[in-house]
Amino acid sequence: NAGVTQTPKFRILKIGQSMTLQCTQDMNHNYMYWYRQDPGMGLKLIYYSVGAGITDKGEVPNGYNVSRSTTEDFPLRLELAAPSQTSVYFCASRNRQGYGNTIYFGEGSWLTVV
Amino acid sequence: QKEVEQNSGPLSVPEGAIASLNCTYSDRGSQSFFWYRQYSGKSPELIMSIYSNGDKEDGRFTAQLNKASQYVSLLIRDSQPSDSATYLCAASIGGTSYGKLTFGQGTILTVHP
Repeated sequence: NAGVTQTPKFRILKIGQSMTLQCTQDMNHNYMYWYRQDPGMGLKLIYYSVGAGITDKGEVPNGYNVSRSTTEDFPLRLELAAPSQTSVYFCASRNRQGYGNTIYFGEGSWLTVV
Repeated sequence: QKEVEQNSGPLSVPEGAIASLNCTYSDRGSQSFFWYRQYSGKSPELIMSIYSNGDKEDGRFTAQLNKASQYVSLLIRDSQPSDSATYLCAASIGGTSYGKLTFGQGTILTVHP
């Protein structure tokens, strides 16, 4: 029962490098999200998607890009990595139907920019 | 800025006591409220959701919502050491919010034997 799968789990990047965090879900959910969590803080929304081909910015989108070519996949691209992007990244998904439907989180990706 | 604020921690309670976690929100359009538990190094885990004013009980957990006061709380009865974690309060606006959540900063709870 895979749910939401994120890769990689850990990554160290040098300043200025780029990378993609992968996220895939096997629950046929329409809505997908990327959150970041800085140490001792809550989660902040980076980008979200309501379906294939449709994405929109969240609270903290600067320095990131996303795409949603399929229902299953929602990769997060970091361009020109900066130390401020050192964080834990969580991908999540939920079904469209239902008031307050449960959001399912992936296990997280720990990113350090040095 | 739409915000969710949680009472400052960390909170330490003895085993068997009641732990009380509080949360206020600024957006009156918020309709759904959630409490997540997050163990160190793990992803958030939903423990309670509440949508209507009043209390909602699930086992040892009781969520309370007061929309007039813009206040949400979580009570954990008979606290156990396994309840030691960070508790995150989250709010979602209904309608076209697409399930987006605004999180509080979290409250660290320690239950000591």
